[in-house]
Amino acid sequence: AQSVTQLDSQVPVFEEAPVELRCNYSSSVSVYLFWYVQYPNQGLQLLLKYLSGSTLVESINGFEAEFNKSQTSFHLRKPSVHISDTAEYFCAVSDRRNAGNMLTFGGGTRLMVKP
Amino acid sequence: NAGVTQTPKFRVLKTGQSMTLLCAQDMNHEYMYWYRQDPGMGLRLIHYSVGEGTTAKGEVPDGYNVSRLKKQNFLLGLESAAPSQTSVYFCASSYPGTGYGYTFGSGTRLTVV
Repeated sequence: AQSVTQLDSQVPVFEEAPVELRCNYSSSVSVYLFWYVQYPNQGLQLLLKYLSGSTLVESINGFEAEFNKSQTSFHLRKPSVHISDTAEYFCAVSDRRNAGNMLTFGGGTRLMVKP
Repeated sequence: NAGVTQTPKFRVLKTGQSMTLLCAQDMNHEYMYWYRQDPGMGLRLIHYSVGEGTTAKGEVPDGYNVSRLKKQNFLLGLESAAPSQTSVYFCASSYPGTGYGYTFGSGTRLTVV
């Protein structure tokens, strides 16, 4: 079984400032890692994922996340946030061997970008 | 380009009433899932299906039943609603195998009074 801990429930930040949303996971097996974003009153959308290869993965809107196996972390970062990045962000993991492709989600981090 | 469609979007039930939430996907995805979202707890898996006619329990299945009679539809039933089932319910679908991301519906906000 896996578990995911998102260390901050809310992160307030000013526009154009950098931000890091922290995610740690626990698993006895190899995992895939995901970040999802949820805008108000919408479903979740896949932001980026790590499957294998380079430990740094990027999204099309400037976010990046780095897989750190030794620290079992997958923190999400953006060097300069915009008002439109205000949303809730969820980190998730799945067991690489999990035939059902089930995801285990963290509790979410609400990113609040202030002008 | 509908993706995953959930109906209804909102519902208020009285304790003890029953209802069915419908999820429909048009992407020919093999796998489908029902999650509930509660503040501070993220999303928790209720039931899932890896193909037409198959279902399995997730992390929090008690009080819910599901059916997948057609590949494109995944129904979630509440037989006797309880206030603890007040939540936002999300359906999702994915390709078979591991490492695929989900496509989510826009959610159903259910209140049980």
